[in-house]
Amino acid sequence: DQQVKQNSPSLSVQEGRISILNCDYTNSMFDYFLWYKKYPAEGPTFLISISSIKDKNEDGRFTVFLNKSAKHLSLHIVPSQPGDSAVYFCAARDSGGSNYKLTFGKGTLLTVNP
Amino acid sequence: NAGVTQTPKFQVLKTGQSMTLQCAQDMNHEYMSWYRQDPGMGLRLIHYSVGAGITDQGEVPNGYNVSRSTTEDFPLRLLSAAPSQTSVYFCVSGGGGNTIYFGEGSWLTVV
Repeated sequence: DQQVKQNSPSLSVQEGRISILNCDYTNSMFDYFLWYKKYPAEGPTFLISISSIKDKNEDGRFTVFLNKSAKHLSLHIVPSQPGDSAVYFCAARDSGGSNYKLTFGKGTLLTVNP
Repeated sequence: NAGVTQTPKFQVLKTGQSMTLQCAQDMNHEYMSWYRQDPGMGLRLIHYSVGAGITDQGEVPNGYNVSRSTTEDFPLRLLSAAPSQTSVYFCVSGGGGNTIYFGEGSWLTVV
């Protein structure tokens, strides 16, 4: 039973355009959501997060939107740059569990073409 | 990845051999865990610990043992390696904030 779903294994966009990565979840107990970015042969690094009490969080070129009723969140990257090419993981935290015990999606490979 | 150190980076094992993946963090974090990453499967939690002396199972604990004798260290033991344990392993620590920090990964091949 996959509780965090990233249904697009890959996404390709042109440099300068918007990248939109999507994530759906099924567990109503999730109260905090994070996006991680992973380059090949490296560990994932934290990118941006959002609490369930908010519907938007912005950090520079990165914005995360949360739609609780639809159990859906998305990561927007504007403008996209070639250095953004990486695998992006969506992760969620259960409010009833440890603060740091995260459930991850399978990841979306973003390719930004020059 | 600063602050979370994993060793070894690469390892080849024969089926049935045992080994330990080492993980150390210098951030005084209470939480540590191990994930494995497999193609098409994302990151799956193996074991986690919320403090020294406390460990618990994650999503895919079978075939792995852990212990947490100190805050800094959280080794992952494979008692009898199987080809299904060929994977990339990430050690994680968390504390003092709302996110977790990954090590650089350990690539394990079981032949």
